[in-house]
Amino acid sequence: DIQMTQSPSFVSASVGDRVTITCRASQGVGTYLAWYQQKPGKAPKLLIYSASSLQSGVPSRFSGSGSGTDFTFTISSLQPEDFATYYCQQANNFPLTFGGGTKVEI
Amino acid sequence: QVQLQESGPGLVKPSETLSLTCTVSGGSISNYHWGWIRQTPGKGLQWIAYIFDSGPINYNPSLKSRVSISLDTSKNQLSLKLFSVTAADTAVYYCARRLTNAWFDPWGQGTLVTVSS
Repeated sequence: DIQMTQSPSFVSASVGDRVTITCRASQGVGTYLAWYQQKPGKAPKLLIYSASSLQSGVPSRFSGSGSGTDFTFTISSLQPEDFATYYCQQANNFPLTFGGGTKVEI
Repeated sequence: QVQLQESGPGLVKPSETLSLTCTVSGGSISNYHWGWIRQTPGKGLQWIAYIFDSGPINYNPSLKSRVSISLDTSKNQLSLKLFSVTAADTAVYYCARRLTNAWFDPWGQGTLVTVSS
């Protein structure tokens, strides 16, 4: 299985901050990578797919980059509604696997 | 817009079968892939399987021997059965639509299933 390692596990940030999360795959996944946002008690929501494509309706302050084994997810200016946990997911190999999550908190 | 809603027992006894249904509204389940994902505090998000219409099913090998999923196009529903459950199967179970390249969107709200006697 491809292991997806996110760092950091926790980010303490303030409104307006730029937040960057990284996701490293144990082997190359091309650009078959997605990012999700999950708020407490809610289901994950797709934000970014194909490493850098913004899902329809998602604000442009969210962005993603990378290919192969190293990926970055950025929130350019943190908003109050962005406090949540973020997960990466690879779709290059079965089984599909997710990162352990990064919690963005105040 | 497409919405998904999971339903089923919240408590299952060890060694028994976990059975969940996901009802899709706002669109047809035909011509899309649909999947199940679960989430536990310890193991995080774990993909279980997905199915395309009446086509091939892709399973997580770690669960394949105990999982059955199916679609009922007449009811616009997908189902999940997990056999011989243990406490390790306690999780929030989500159904979701699989998009191109195996992203998932949207997801159901999730349903907590506890395995306990």
